[in-house]
Amino acid sequence: AQKITQTQPGMFVQEKEAVTLDCTYDTSDPSYGLFWYKQPSSGEMIFLIYQGSYDQQNATEGRYSLNFQKARKSANLVISASQLGDSAMYFCAMREGDSSYKLIFGSGTRLLVRP
Amino acid sequence: EAQVTQNPRYLITVTGKKLTVTCSQNMNHEYMSWYRQDPGLGLRQIYYSMNVEVTDKGDVPEGYKVSRKEKRNFPLILESPSPNQTSLYFCASSFVLPSVSTEAFFGQGTRLTVV
Repeated sequence: AQKITQTQPGMFVQEKEAVTLDCTYDTSDPSYGLFWYKQPSSGEMIFLIYQGSYDQQNATEGRYSLNFQKARKSANLVISASQLGDSAMYFCAMREGDSSYKLIFGSGTRLLVRP
Repeated sequence: EAQVTQNPRYLITVTGKKLTVTCSQNMNHEYMSWYRQDPGLGLRQIYYSMNVEVTDKGDVPEGYKVSRKEKRNFPLILESPSPNQTSLYFCASSFVLPSVSTEAFFGQGTRLTVV
């Protein structure tokens, strides 16, 4: 079974509007962390935001916020006031509290911001 | 500047010709890992290392080798590359503590083509 599911292969958003990128996860570990990374066309992976499983509040970082719904096992990324530079691939990832310490990635969502 | 450096950025090689992709980090991170990124699959872990001389297989280790002789370096070795190893490769590093919340820093990526 997929541990991280991103159901939107591609999305469009109008400049200055908000957009939500979906991410659902599957784990039985009570301790886990959820990450979002941005990958622009140049290829590098840029860390955006982190949410811990025990965090009571949704994480926010500037225009990025994470809509964390623990019971639904979802961790959607919300980008407010989209900019042309937000056009990129976005990956949701999870780290569980086991010994491997690895990040498990979803398949990604390609976001295109229209002027 | 804190960074993970991979070399080369681009590589085209022929089937069976041994190659090494280097990875170096300057943040004194204990944990280092290699991922490959393929369309529709996200990033998948190849190998990881929790510290010097400690390495272990990730999800897709076949055809790859790694070594961790020094804390800062974690080279990826393809002894006999095949076309199905054509991919975008990322090296990443992080501290082991404080466990799941630790952000992973990624290298710039190495685009490998095996013909």
